[in-house]
Amino acid sequence: SQQGEEDPQALSIQEGENATMNCSYKTSINNLQWYRQNSGRGLVHLILIRSNEREKHSGRLRVTLDTSKKSSSLLITASRAADTASYFCAGDTGGFKTIFGAGTRLFVKA
Amino acid sequence: DTEVTQTPKHLVMGMTNKKSLKCEQHMGHRAMYWYKQKAKKPPELMFVYSYEKLSINESVPSRFSPECPNSSLLNLHLHALQPEDSALYLCASSQDLVRGAHGYTFGSGTRLTVV
Repeated sequence: SQQGEEDPQALSIQEGENATMNCSYKTSINNLQWYRQNSGRGLVHLILIRSNEREKHSGRLRVTLDTSKKSSSLLITASRAADTASYFCAGDTGGFKTIFGAGTRLFVKA
Repeated sequence: DTEVTQTPKHLVMGMTNKKSLKCEQHMGHRAMYWYKQKAKKPPELMFVYSYEKLSINESVPSRFSPECPNSSLLNLHLHALQPEDSALYLCASSQDLVRGAHGYTFGSGTRLTVV
């Protein structure tokens, strides 16, 4: 399987805490994207980091990319109950395909 | 308009039925995709269209038949499906195959149940 791996599989935190999710992949990628999916809905694009970038910020989101370790992390600061969702990393390969990670289910308790 | 619209939202069909899923976008995106997603799993690529031509078919069974009538529309025709085909079917689009800063734009999906 070319599926990427994410950890943790599930994460439960209190509102206001930070949430960190990690993603590892096996093949070379051109960029890495993070998506959020609310239950039974479509995926929403959060942020894209290119292979020549190491860190990127967008609002309460901070993404890092370490191509030498083939890993990425997504940090959500000051989490809110509305952040409860599944989060997927996705890497674009040279063949124009995207390899999705298995996903992290985040639950933020109010 | 920054949306991908999928219809219907829910579909229940028998194994002998023929039905179609529809997807529409008006963002001028030239690449459109069908993904299949089972519960608690990541999306799995089925088909990719680029400039209205089929670019990638991920060895999908012939009971799934994609169609791209024009640059804004993408259909998925279903025939003789099996219960294991029950899943959330997601349509997505991107500027082109080399995805820009905004990655994919996904629709809300069609929840398909095969009985």
